[in-house]
Amino acid sequence: EAGVTQSPTHLIKTRGQQATLRCSPISGHTSVYWYQQALGLGLQFLLWYDEGEERNRGNFPPRFSGRQFPNYSSELNVNALELEDSALYLCASSQDGSYGYTFGSGTRLTVV
Amino acid sequence: KNEVEQSPQNLTAQEGEFITINCSYSVGISALHWLQQHPGGGIVSLFMLSSGKKKHGRLIATINIQEKHSSLHITASHPRDSAVYICAVKLSGSRLTFGEGTQLTVNP
Repeated sequence: EAGVTQSPTHLIKTRGQQATLRCSPISGHTSVYWYQQALGLGLQFLLWYDEGEERNRGNFPPRFSGRQFPNYSSELNVNALELEDSALYLCASSQDGSYGYTFGSGTRLTVV
Repeated sequence: KNEVEQSPQNLTAQEGEFITINCSYSVGISALHWLQQHPGGGIVSLFMLSSGKKKHGRLIATINIQEKHSSLHITASHPRDSAVYICAVKLSGSRLTFGEGTQLTVNP
């Protein structure tokens, strides 16, 4: 069974551009979570999608948005990129949060 | 104050040593997770606990709900155990709140 897959693995963008990150959950998982891990900082919760709806978001500006598709895959969009958006973005999926979470390998976004 | 506190922040051990990483949290939770993050960023979920103790190979995780404390133990540590170990708690709404992580280095 395939794990959580994220693409691209690495992404380099210039300040002001938009970045789109993608995540495919494990088959059968309906919830997708996005986390940001900036250099030297811990993991911070970004967004939670379940059954196509945004259920919760962390303390991030509206430049960070996303969506979940009918097949439960998800996109994270970051608009008007700033240098401090450079980070590892991790996606996790779960069946309903009562069970374990499975993490993807992450997308490393570098803003120059 | 963080809702999840881990100690120590950094830990260096010799191969074969018994290792303990601690996690304390300040709010009521429904579950606690121990995660392992290797260089490059990939995260592996090691344990999910809501009570008692779980064991997987050389790894043991315990939780004391009353004391709001959990420990991750590694027996007979090996250089391949070198990684960042992260404690995460499940609060409301299924989101996880993470500790800052413990960087473990096991020297041969």
